[in-house]
Amino acid sequence: DTAVSQTPKYLVTQMGNDKSIKCEQNLGHDTMYWYKQDSKKFLKIMFSYNNKELIINETVPNRFSPKSPDKAHLNLHINSLELGDSAVYFCASSPPRSSGGNEQFFGPGTRLTVL
Amino acid sequence: AQSVSQHNHHVILSEAASLELGCNYSYGGTVNLFWYVQYPGQHLQLLLKYFSGDPLVKGIKGFEAEFIKSKFSFNLRKPSVQWSDTAEYFCAVRRSGNTGKLIFGQGTTLQVKP
Repeated sequence: DTAVSQTPKYLVTQMGNDKSIKCEQNLGHDTMYWYKQDSKKFLKIMFSYNNKELIINETVPNRFSPKSPDKAHLNLHINSLELGDSAVYFCASSPPRSSGGNEQFFGPGTRLTVL
Repeated sequence: AQSVSQHNHHVILSEAASLELGCNYSYGGTVNLFWYVQYPGQHLQLLLKYFSGDPLVKGIKGFEAEFIKSKFSFNLRKPSVQWSDTAEYFCAVRRSGNTGKLIFGQGTTLQVKP
């Protein structure tokens, strides 16, 4: 009965590689997000999609490209990985505003380590 | 720039002590306010939220928070902490009417000694 799931949970890779992180939610939500949590635990939004449409893009390098094949999935592809990309990446989703609830539900996180 | 500040970065308490974690934000318009908790190795979970109405909101596990509009604050409280409350606590703000973006504070690490 997982609500927001991410794969993989851990990802260790070399600089310069390209990798993807997948996110799926089974809550029927319309909006999904990607957040980055750095080594100091600071959480910052990267992207948001609403019904497969990009609505937030927070000055993230264009090496990061989100892809939403349908409203239940929001994947994050990262090209040419750099050391500074090492972080925990959290996916989240939220229901439509019209439902009255705008709490975000978070996935378990993906710890990315770039060597 | 809009920001959220959590004054306490690392708090150490003994069990049964009272807890208050500060949170201030800089945005002057209507806001929605949240406290999330991240237990070791786990994802973020919502503790409580404020949208409107009674400024004193009660959440799960005995936590509560008070929204003081004049002080731009949303402090988290618990009268008696337990060892199981050891976790990272994040305050977050969302500007009403925007795209849903949450602005997080830098987090407070709470360590409760048994």
